[in-house]
Amino acid sequence: GAVVSQHPSWVICKSGTSVKIECRSLDFQATTMFWYRQFPKQSLMLMATSNEGSKATYEQGVEKDKFLINHASLTLSTLTVTSAHPEDSSFYICSAREGLGRYQPQHFGDGTRLSIL
Amino acid sequence: SQKIEQNSEALNIQEGKTATLTCNYTNYSPAYLQWYRQDPGRGPVFLLLIRENEKEKRKERLKVTFDTTLKQSLFHITASQPADSATYLCALDGDDKIIFGKGTRLHILP
Repeated sequence: GAVVSQHPSWVICKSGTSVKIECRSLDFQATTMFWYRQFPKQSLMLMATSNEGSKATYEQGVEKDKFLINHASLTLSTLTVTSAHPEDSSFYICSAREGLGRYQPQHFGDGTRLSIL
Repeated sequence: SQKIEQNSEALNIQEGKTATLTCNYTNYSPAYLQWYRQDPGRGPVFLLLIRENEKEKRKERLKVTFDTTLKQSLFHITASQPADSATYLCALDGDDKIIFGKGTRLHILP
């Protein structure tokens, strides 16, 4: 149980393109979803937290107009990287938490490798 | 400043031995601490959660300890196998969100 599907796995595109990444909880309802960014040999850096039906909460230093997050349902959240540039190349990972309990673990997708040429 | 520190160097352990990974934190008062496994190019997989009032937690060959006085958690894998080779991340709840360490790469040598 507790499977999170992230799509696509790989994206290679030209500078200036907008890229959408989907995160779905397959067998549970995710009241909260999280978006992370990870550089090689670095820790996961939280970008934003999204709750179904409300605006995402962005971490300091993350541009909300560049990284658009939509959490339209209890099973789907999307991250759109608008007008992507080479410095946006990274590994983006989503996670979902079932329920509102503080001790609920997060279940992660397998990430999206984004390469901007 | 707030920090979570894990062994930055890779850890090489002979198959069959116990691997012990360390997670230290400063300027946090977490209600719990979690351990995840991450394989290259994959998302982290949840392993264990230990609460602040628990000293030890076990799951099969895994054991986690949590010392709030030392501000440290130890993660043990007993009877280690090559398939246990991965990066292990500790994470704690801080300021209403989960904060991850950089992880420790573990190599189990056959």
